[in-house]
Amino acid sequence: GPKVLQIPSHQIIDMGQMVTLNCDPVSNHLYFYWYKQILGQQMEFLVNFYNGKVMEKSKLFKDQFSVERPDGSYFTLKIQPTALEDSAVYFCASSYRDWVYEQYFGPGTRLTVL
Amino acid sequence: SQWGEENLQALSIQEGEDVTMNCSYKTYTTVVHWYRQDSGRGPALIILIRSNEREKRSGRLRATLDTSSQSSSLSITAAQCEDTAVYFCATDETGGADRLTFGKGTQLIIQP
Repeated sequence: GPKVLQIPSHQIIDMGQMVTLNCDPVSNHLYFYWYKQILGQQMEFLVNFYNGKVMEKSKLFKDQFSVERPDGSYFTLKIQPTALEDSAVYFCASSYRDWVYEQYFGPGTRLTVL
Repeated sequence: SQWGEENLQALSIQEGEDVTMNCSYKTYTTVVHWYRQDSGRGPALIILIRSNEREKRSGRLRATLDTSSQSSSLSITAAQCEDTAVYFCATDETGGADRLTFGKGTQLIIQP
């Protein structure tokens, strides 16, 4: 079936550094999402993105977070600067439509902030 | 929180047995999504049940939805070892699939 790819699979950085997580969504999908999952806890919505704009973001989407998808390339999540509490697995998802359409998830990027 | 305060639950059963996992939610939803997540992979949708449906079947899977009690269940018939995974339910509070809210999940282990 359709696949969402995420690069890298693991990232270890020092607190205060910038990190960019990359997502290659399903090719004809129009809606893009980031979710955050801390070990042992449920996955939580961060942000969704459509037509070059953030449509909705949660309170977890701090000012240090930003998303973009320049010219149909990777959909990225940038954190600058990072904090210890940003350590988690970040999942990217994409869907063709936003009304009860399946979201396809990538395998996640495990981010460790030291 | 959209969900009750249950922790990640763990269930271990023998191959061939039936199993049911439950979720309850606090706010309105038009649909309940059930996802499975294999180790090291992202969640994958396995069944989706809408608010106007009480039951939905897909192969060995059966989902139910009771909007009056705001609860949903996922049953697997004749479980197989490959059913071992974490199973999540998710709702979309806003009425669209643009903001999924996940429960904590059930770790299901099928013993051969």
